[in-house]
Amino acid sequence: NAGVIQTPRHKVTGKGQEATLWCEPISGHSAVFWYRQTIVQGLEFLTYFRNQAPIDDSGMPKERFSAQMPNQSHSTLKIQSTQPQDSAVYLCASSLDGGSYEQYFGPGTRLTVL
Amino acid sequence: GDSVTQKEGLVTLTEGLPVMLNCTYQTIYSNAFLFWYVHYLNESPRLLLKSSTDNKRTEHQGFHATLHKSSSSFHLQKSSAQLSDSALYYCALSDWGYQNFYFGKGTSLTVIP
Repeated sequence: NAGVIQTPRHKVTGKGQEATLWCEPISGHSAVFWYRQTIVQGLEFLTYFRNQAPIDDSGMPKERFSAQMPNQSHSTLKIQSTQPQDSAVYLCASSLDGGSYEQYFGPGTRLTVL
Repeated sequence: GDSVTQKEGLVTLTEGLPVMLNCTYQTIYSNAFLFWYVHYLNESPRLLLKSSTDNKRTEHQGFHATLHKSSSSFHLQKSSAQLSDSALYYCALSDWGYQNFYFGKGTSLTVIP
């Protein structure tokens, strides 16, 4: 079991460019979570899928952020027109079936917007 | 709505002293699960403790916590801090029914010699 896989590990974009982050959950896990981590805000919840369906995206900045889970083996987080304040570590986690189960986190993608 | 409060953002302790990190929560659901996750530098966050049983002490890796539903608390404790305990600690809440999940802001623990 390779654990949760996130690619790329590091991404540098220019202001205004698009960034797409990928997450492959643990096989057999039905829930996928996206978080953003910064020193100031700590771990911020962004969005949550269960059986590929979006359950809660209350943490997503609506205008430029979007997430999808086209199949059970991967999810993507897309940030359009990136801004310097989007610089953070983006963490993906998966669990067997929702928030009451242990979440297994990936290594994260460090996004730097210049 | 549901929420988790960790009132200390930064805690610095001398090695050997006891650790207590505070966590309180609000929820409308009676079947609440409380968690502590730990995030060491250069690693991924991982589960440290989990509980849904009122007044039952849960222990793992020298840490313990007791869920007290009467006071909506789930404080993390350890009798003697070690240098290797330096990390970010997140308290989290989930409800069994809707499977929603809420993290606190986190407490950064630094243990010094």
